[in-house]
Amino acid sequence: EPEVTQTPSHQVTQMGQEVILRCVPISNHLYFYWYRQILGQKVEFLVSFYNNEISEKSEIFDDQFSVERPDGSNFTLKIRSTKLEDSAMYFCASSEALQGAGGELFFGEGSRLTVL
Amino acid sequence: RKEVEQDPGPFNVPEGATVAFNCTYSNSASQSFFWYRQDCRKEPKLLMSVYSSGNEDGRFTAQLNRASQYISLLIRDSKLSDSATYLCVVGKGQKVTFGTGTKLQVIP
Repeated sequence: EPEVTQTPSHQVTQMGQEVILRCVPISNHLYFYWYRQILGQKVEFLVSFYNNEISEKSEIFDDQFSVERPDGSNFTLKIRSTKLEDSAMYFCASSEALQGAGGELFFGEGSRLTVL
Repeated sequence: RKEVEQDPGPFNVPEGATVAFNCTYSNSASQSFFWYRQDCRKEPKLLMSVYSSGNEDGRFTAQLNRASQYISLLIRDSKLSDSATYLCVVGKGQKVTFGTGTKLQVIP
């Protein structure tokens, strides 16, 4: 069964450092997403990406965050200067169809980021 | 008012019981509705989409009431393996908003 894969599974970093989280979405999917979940809290939308550009982003997704699809398979989330409050599980997701058309989100297993 | 609101629970029910979860959403322009399931420290997984006419998948029944902006999930004949957090999810365009989830614990 095709799946979304994410690396690393866990990253520990110092405050102020740059972090890149990587995702390989399901190959025939067109829509890509990043979500985060702070421990014990709800899953929060960060950004959606379609046709090589950001289509929607939340207020959490400020100038410290960026996304890229550098080649035909990878989808990355970069945090330029990490803060303590960036510590969370970051989930990548992809879908074949637009959510409004009932497209199911397929999530990766997540990358746990710990900022010290 | 929260965008998507759920009772966090936990709901502790015996095996075989029927349990119902409710969810309300604030944006009347919302277009898509789902229930996802999340096991502890795992990724969310789609349980079922929710359609205006209501829909059933085995022991699971989902209902949508657009007028009241209300979604429900009914689980019949609960199994131990149903223990998880159930996430109400509402979408408009490509933005999908998750509720905080309702925790279910099915007890032997």
